[in-house]
Amino acid sequence: GESVGLHLPTLSVQEGDNSIINCAYSNSASDYFIWYKQESGKGPQFIIDIRSNMDKRQGQRVTVLLNKTVKHLSLQIAATQPGDSAVYFCAEKGNSSYKLIFGSGTRLLVRP
Amino acid sequence: DTGVSQDPRHKITKRGQNVTFRCDPISEHNRLYWYRQTLGQGPEFLTYFQNEAQLEKSRLLSDRFSAERPKGSFSTLEIQRTEQGDSAMYLCASSLGTGYNSPLHFGNGTRLTVT
Repeated sequence: GESVGLHLPTLSVQEGDNSIINCAYSNSASDYFIWYKQESGKGPQFIIDIRSNMDKRQGQRVTVLLNKTVKHLSLQIAATQPGDSAVYFCAEKGNSSYKLIFGSGTRLLVRP
Repeated sequence: DTGVSQDPRHKITKRGQNVTFRCDPISEHNRLYWYRQTLGQGPEFLTYFQNEAQLEKSRLLSDRFSAERPKGSFSTLEIQRTEQGDSAMYLCASSLGTGYNSPLHFGNGTRLTVT
């Protein structure tokens, strides 16, 4: 079936550096994408979303890039902080559907 | 805190017992979702409500699982005759919107352990 996956299961970065978390999706009909952050023992926390009619969206310290040609999504975190350490999930939603499909996650470790 | 609230946070039960979880969505959110998450995996969709109507159910939701949202506000998820494979984190989420694209806001889940 259609799926969302991630290239790297674990990403380790130095505090203050920028982080880039990548995600590949396979459903070309997906029209909405979300990045979530999940800390241990907590539910996923919404970070940023992007619709398929956009290729870039910025938030506070975060940027999401969408490349529909190669079906690739990325999350950029500027000036990574220890509090950014968590598992990050990308999720996609198909056209005319309310169901979000999640990938398996990337763990971000921030070194002090 | 006016986020999504789930109760209980943890539940340990013996195989074969029935369990029920409750979810209180963000006030005025008309959409409510249940997801299941196992260790190291992303959440898997179980079911979706718009107001009190259950509009979509996953094939993962066997006949032992039932979800309700009787008044379009809180929701319950019941698992009958629990099995060890039901051990997981059960997440509830809600969203507000009339179109298809609105972010889901998740609660902190109910962790179920079936012994």
